[in-house]
Amino acid sequence: DARVTQTPRDKVTEMGQEVTMRCQPILGHNTVFWYRQTMMQGLELLAYFRNRAPLDDSGMPKDRFSAEMPDATLATLKIQPSEPRDSAVYFCASGLGQGAFEAFFGQGTRLTVV
Amino acid sequence: QKEVEQNSGPLSVPEGAIASLNCTYSDRGSQSFFWYRQYSGKSPELIMFIYSNGDKEDGRFTAQLNKASQYVSLLIRDSQPSDSATYLCAVNGAGNTGKLIFGQGTTLQVKP
Repeated sequence: DARVTQTPRDKVTEMGQEVTMRCQPILGHNTVFWYRQTMMQGLELLAYFRNRAPLDDSGMPKDRFSAEMPDATLATLKIQPSEPRDSAVYFCASGLGQGAFEAFFGQGTRLTVV
Repeated sequence: QKEVEQNSGPLSVPEGAIASLNCTYSDRGSQSFFWYRQYSGKSPELIMFIYSNGDKEDGRFTAQLNKASQYVSLLIRDSQPSDSATYLCAVNGAGNTGKLIFGQGTTLQVKP
C-alpha cells in the first residue's frame, strides 16, 4: 500500500525550540511538496522539490524555515526558532511530476508551539 | 486576487440531491485541475482531475472545466451524508510546472 509517511504525527514544543518534520514520499515519486494548513489561510504551499532539487520555496519564511531532500526517500522541513504563529498542520505530498501532476498527501504533522 | 478561489460555504444539501461546488482560477496558463476531499482531522485525498474542456465523470462525481471562463466545478450526484467534508480545488500553476495551488475549500453538509 503505497503512501506518503510523515513523522512525527503530533509535536508540542516550546517557543524558540527547533522543530524537524520528516516525510518519506511514495517510492518512485520525484516531486515533493510541503504545505501548511490553518483555518485562516487554508493550504499554503511552502516549498516543493523535483528530483531532490528545490523548485520554489517562495511560500516559506526564509529566516526561520528550511526545507531539504537529503535523498530521494526523505524530505525534511525545519523551523528554527519556532514561534506560536507556526502552530498548524504541516502536510507533505508527493507526485510523479509528469502528466496531470496529481499529488498524494501524507497524514500530516500537527505542530503546536506554546 | 487569490490564485484559486472557492466559496467557503457551508453548502448544505439534502441526501440524494446534487451538490455543485465551484472554483475559479486566475492563471490562464494553468493546464491541470484537481478536486480533493478532506474530512475533518484528516489529510486531503484526490477525487479526480481534469485537463480538457468539458466534463469528466467518475461514478457519482463529475468534474467540469471551462478554460475560457477560468472555471472548474464538481458535481456530486445522489449526495450521501458520507460526502460531508471540505472539498478543495487545486490548480497546476503557470507553465504546467506541477506547482499545485489550492483554494480555501468549500464545506459540504449533506443532511439525511
